[in-house]
Amino acid sequence: DTEVTQTPKHLVMGMTNKKSLKCEQHMGHRAMYWYKQKAKKPPELMFVYSYEKLSINESVPSRFSPECPNSSLLNLHLHALQPEDSALYLCASSEAPSGNNGYTFGSGTRLTVV
Amino acid sequence: SQQGEEDPQALSIQEGENATMNCSYKTSINNLQWYRQNSGRGLVHLILIRSNEREKHSGRLRVTLDTSKKSSSLLITASRAADTASYFCATDEGSRLTFGEGTQLTVNP
Repeated sequence: DTEVTQTPKHLVMGMTNKKSLKCEQHMGHRAMYWYKQKAKKPPELMFVYSYEKLSINESVPSRFSPECPNSSLLNLHLHALQPEDSALYLCASSEAPSGNNGYTFGSGTRLTVV
Repeated sequence: SQQGEEDPQALSIQEGENATMNCSYKTSINNLQWYRQNSGRGLVHLILIRSNEREKHSGRLRVTLDTSKKSSSLLITASRAADTASYFCATDEGSRLTFGEGTQLTVNP
């Protein structure tokens, strides 16, 4: 299995909702990442998990809460989001500590906050 | 903040022609990677070049790296309509992959 699987593919949520994005990989990668991508812009790093521990938080607002239950799973919990948080959320994984073989990205979750 | 700048921002060519995209970056790197993204989808890793390498080939792709100028180029030879996509360079500073602004490549049949 050489894929990163993200669910759901599309999500529409209200500003008072709580939802979660899920990401799964079975390549034995020990680093996992969340990126946010706005239209016609490059992906921006949000969080890095290395060996299931949060190693980088790029000053992301607390309404985004990451979780790494085990080495194969990565979640992003969403609460009280704003319309400007609408974006494509990408999960990626790589062999820790550095992606010397590149990163594998999922297809993303397209999030719309209404 | 974004690490690199890419040029051109957009490139339109005919099938069969070669496409060259350039990337500049600002900090020291472990490696530099190129990714392709089809509209609204995930990124696909194309090629990685380490900081001690100067040139690398993979199929129709050729990547160069000049660490003294902090720049890289991606050459796609004999382009195909299926190569139409956005192309991003990304620098790996150790668990932090930072993307350039990207080049939108359109290959016309």
